[in-house]
Amino acid sequence: TQLLEQSPQFLSIQEGENLTVYCNSSSVFSSLQWYRQEPGEGPVLLVTVVTGGEVKKLKRLTFQFGDARKDSSLHITAAQTGDTGLYLCAGAQSNYQLIWGAGTKLIIKP
Amino acid sequence: ETGVTQSPTHLIKTRGQQVTLRCSSQSGHNTVSWYQQALGQGPQFIFQYYREEENGRGNFPPRFSGLQFPNYSSELNVNALELDDSALYLCASSPGGTAHNSPLHFGNGTRLTVT
Repeated sequence: TQLLEQSPQFLSIQEGENLTVYCNSSSVFSSLQWYRQEPGEGPVLLVTVVTGGEVKKLKRLTFQFGDARKDSSLHITAAQTGDTGLYLCAGAQSNYQLIWGAGTKLIIKP
Repeated sequence: ETGVTQSPTHLIKTRGQQVTLRCSSQSGHNTVSWYQQALGQGPQFIFQYYREEENGRGNFPPRFSGLQFPNYSSELNVNALELDDSALYLCASSPGGTAHNSPLHFGNGTRLTVT
């Protein structure tokens, strides 16, 4: 059973468009991390959000943590081909374990 | 600083065999976690080692076992391989602390195929 649901599972858009992907749960997390994974590589941390309602920006990427700390979103403005990858969210519930979503596979077409 | 390195990068084994995967943690990191990532899925937590002791385990059977050495490198051992064990095995190190405040640094994984 996946405690973190990511949507959409797959998204293919043209370069220059905006997009939002979501990470939802019925559980509360003490923090939530977003990673990007490219083929043949391990996930790379993008951001950690901790406080309910928190918004963090990383260049064209905007991350938001829900007020109740059960969900999060990632918005990309003016997508570029370099944004292509698998976007994974992971929530911290216990001291040692992260709960992972299945990811959103994003393809940006030139 | 040296990142997380895993070996081998690819491996093919036969059902019933045993396999050992290796991981060198990032310099200064004393905690190592192992994950299994099936195709099209997110990583599934196998276990975590801190200062040579297992300090957390996911929902994996006992035939998945591990070790951490004094230099914080780690091994993942899988006995009696099954076809469903085919996956990308990821090692991640962190500087210690809780999952809440200790982001993971991943290696590029070992792709295991069981035939």
